[in-house]
This record gives sequence, structure tokens and C-alpha cells, in this order.
Amino acid sequence: QKEVEQDPGPLSVPEGAIVSLNCTYSNSAFQYFMWYRQYSRKGPELLMYTYSSGNKEDGRFTAQVDKSSKYISLFIRDSQPSDSATYLCAMSARAGANSKLTFGKGITLSVRP
Amino acid sequence: GAVVSQHPSRVICKSGTSVKIECRSLDFQATTMFWYRQFPKQSLMLMATSNEGSKATYEQGVEKDKFLINHASLTLSTLTVTSAHPEDSSFYICSAPAWGTEAFFGQGTRLTVV
Repeated sequence: QKEVEQDPGPLSVPEGAIVSLNCTYSNSAFQYFMWYRQYSRKGPELLMYTYSSGNKEDGRFTAQVDKSSKYISLFIRDSQPSDSATYLCAMSARAGANSKLTFGKGITLSVRP
Repeated sequence: GAVVSQHPSRVICKSGTSVKIECRSLDFQATTMFWYRQFPKQSLMLMATSNEGSKATYEQGVEKDKFLINHASLTLSTLTVTSAHPEDSSFYICSAPAWGTEAFFGQGTRLTVV
């Protein structure tokens, strides 16, 4: 079993839809959870960063962590064509920018106007 | 956010030749840089951690002699794929932590070995 599993894609939704992206993991040591967004021909950029279980909201984006189920989600409300990108979940056992990240495969989202 | 510049963005080389990929932090100093590889439909996999002024730390299964990493200055790390073969064709991407907050990624390098 891979350490981090991410729902396969691609995913295509109409503009304005609510999008749910999910990852599961097997390593109990993971404490820090991130979502990255990657546009075509660009490097990933950090979208959300959460620690431990709970929800974190930032504008149209909500990150949710359920450590008991080893499950994390990213919700995008009122999705826009500009949200079209690849979304990767990532996790680490330690805090800090120097910590080693384990990534999911990524899912490509397309928001249709 | 901080800027990490990676070059080249795309390279095609012949089997048996070596290819050097550069990763530069443009507006901050990076004592640490991470090198990842991503095969099609696979996750970004950490290959090695480069440390300025010292030897890189390689992940299990990554050949040190094949993937040479040099981090000679606080703003530049290089990855050299030596004697490249078609199975080395992949997407290579670097990242560098900035100001202790988060790691910023370069644009990535698409390597094709023919």
C-alpha cells in the first residue's frame, strides 16, 4: 500500500460547482497536511496547510483533516475556470519548511465555463 | 512568495550523455534544496536533499553516482543525470524552503532521453 493515495482523475465540473478532492494515507506519523496547486508548466504552489484534525477555511477553499480515518479533503466552493489545475496532497511527520514531504499522485481538475 | 528558478524547462538528450539541471533561489538564500522526480501518472518522489557546503542526502534506491548533486552556494543547486538512459526520462523538480515558512518549487524540467 502506498503511503499516500489520492483519488484518480481527471475531474471535470461546471463553473460554480463544489469540488471535493480527497487523499488517504497509511503512515500514522503524518501530522502536517498540505494541498498544492500546480498549473501547467509551473511548479506546485502551496494552497493550504493544516496541522492535525479539523477544518481550515481560506476564501473558497476548505481543507479538512480526519486523522482517525487517515483521510484529508480539499473543498472548493463556487469553482472557477481559473481553478483548473492539478491538485496534489502532501504530508509530513515534522513541522517546518525543511521537513520531508510525501505526495499523492495529483488529480487534474477542469472547470468548464 | 519566494522565487525558485529552474533551468532548463525541457531537455532532450541522447542516451549515454549527461544532463545538468540548475535550481536557483532568486530572492532568498537556501541552505537546503530538495530534488524530486515524477514519472507519468505517479507521485512526486523525493530523490535527495542537497545541503549547501556538504554532501547531499539521497533517498533509498536513488543512485548517488548517477544523480550527482552539487550545492556549492546558497542560491544554486545542480542535479546532473550522468550517462542518461531512456528510463531516466522523467519530470525533475526542485524546491527550497524560504524563511522557514514553506518550500517553494521551481518550474520543473522535462527530461527526455532518446
